[in-house]
Amino acid sequence: AQKITQTQPGMFVQEKEAVTLDCTYDTSDPSYGLFWYKQPSSGEMIFLIYQGSYDQQNATEGRYSLNFQKARKSANLVISASQLGDSAMYFCAMREGAGGGADGLTFGKGTHLIIQP
Amino acid sequence: DAMVIQNPRYQVTQFGKPVTLSCSQTLNHNVMYWYQQKSSQAPKLLFHYYDKDFNNEADTPDNFQSRRPNTSFCFLDIRSPGLGDAAMYLCATSRVAGGQPQHFGDGTRLSIL
Repeated sequence: AQKITQTQPGMFVQEKEAVTLDCTYDTSDPSYGLFWYKQPSSGEMIFLIYQGSYDQQNATEGRYSLNFQKARKSANLVISASQLGDSAMYFCAMREGAGGGADGLTFGKGTHLIIQP
Repeated sequence: DAMVIQNPRYQVTQFGKPVTLSCSQTLNHNVMYWYQQKSSQAPKLLFHYYDKDFNNEADTPDNFQSRRPNTSFCFLDIRSPGLGDAAMYLCATSRVAGGQPQHFGDGTRLSIL
């Protein structure tokens, strides 16, 4: 079974609109972290936002917020007031285990977001 | 600025000819990772170093090896590249502390002739 599921292979959104990118995850570990990364066409992976499994509040970083619904095992990324420069691949990723682990990330298949003027 | 640097950005090698990709960091992070990302796919972890301790993923082919001579540098060696090894190779680093993200380099795109 996939550990990270991103059900939207591609999305087209009008500039200045808000956009929600879906991510569901599967783990039996009570301790885990969820990450969102942006990958422009140039290839670099840019860290956007982090949510820990024990965090009581949804994470926010500027125009990015994470809608964390633990019971539903979802961690959707919300981008407010989208900009043309937001066009990129977006990956949801998870690291299982208690905070401080060195384990690598498990990535979803990504969502290709295109912002239209 | 502290960063993760991968060289070269593009690498072309011949089928079966050994190739080495390099990664350096100025972040002084104790964990370094190598991911393989094939076209239109998610990155897949190959292995990582926690300080000098090497951790190989169970499904990483034996053809892939890694070296970490010191904290700052980590190398990915592909002993006999096949056509299926053409991919973007991403190096990342992180501190071992709760909630720390991994910081990625710009990647090396490997082509096999």
